[in-house]
Amino acid sequence: AQTVTQSQPEMSVQEAETVTLSCTYDTSESDYYLFWYKQPPSRQMILVIRQEAYKQQNATENRFSVNFQKAAKSFSLKISDSQLGDAAMYFCAYKDSGGGADGLTFGKGTHLIIQP
Amino acid sequence: AAGVIQSPRHLIKEKRETATLKCYPIPRHDTVYWYQQGPGQDPQFLISFYEKMQSDKGSIPDRFSAQQFSDYHSELNMSSLELGDSALYFCASSSRDRARDSTDTQYFGPGTRLTVL
Repeated sequence: AQTVTQSQPEMSVQEAETVTLSCTYDTSESDYYLFWYKQPPSRQMILVIRQEAYKQQNATENRFSVNFQKAAKSFSLKISDSQLGDAAMYFCAYKDSGGGADGLTFGKGTHLIIQP
Repeated sequence: AAGVIQSPRHLIKEKRETATLKCYPIPRHDTVYWYQQGPGQDPQFLISFYEKMQSDKGSIPDRFSAQQFSDYHSELNMSSLELGDSALYFCASSSRDRARDSTDTQYFGPGTRLTVL
């Protein structure tokens, strides 16, 4: 079974600075998806960014970018110019690409604190 | 843009009672998923449906069942409720990439908070 590990239970960053959240995963598959979801105090699960394993290029969405290292099975999230609204729990998630293997496997999450 | 709709948003039940949670996927999405998130936990995958057929199964208790209807909405039925079933239940939806025969990004609803007393 696939596993996802987030080794940082909590991270703190000053507003406007850059922070990187770590995620590693274990899989024997060659084709899969990786995601970062954000869960603010409202508990809504909000998609931040996605990466397809067969694509070499790292995904970017505005201030959010990833560093995807397939050989190392690492998928870190970089948040630039941190804003107060970025404060939330961040979950890294994995999904096989094959049909039928549909459930997301989540890491335990990283609680991100933004210091004003 | 339309999002995933879940009802009810909050539900309080007694032990041994039954509960039914409903999920309405994003229009034109053909796959729905159910997740359970306990307090301080990450979401755990329960079950998924594609075109009204069960697609994948996770850690869903035998006391729970689910189905997807012809209009693609889904219901999660929970019987003999236990205190440990108190959690946030998410429904998510996605559309299948038929060229790759794979489901893509899952978009989550706001969740149903179930409290079992």
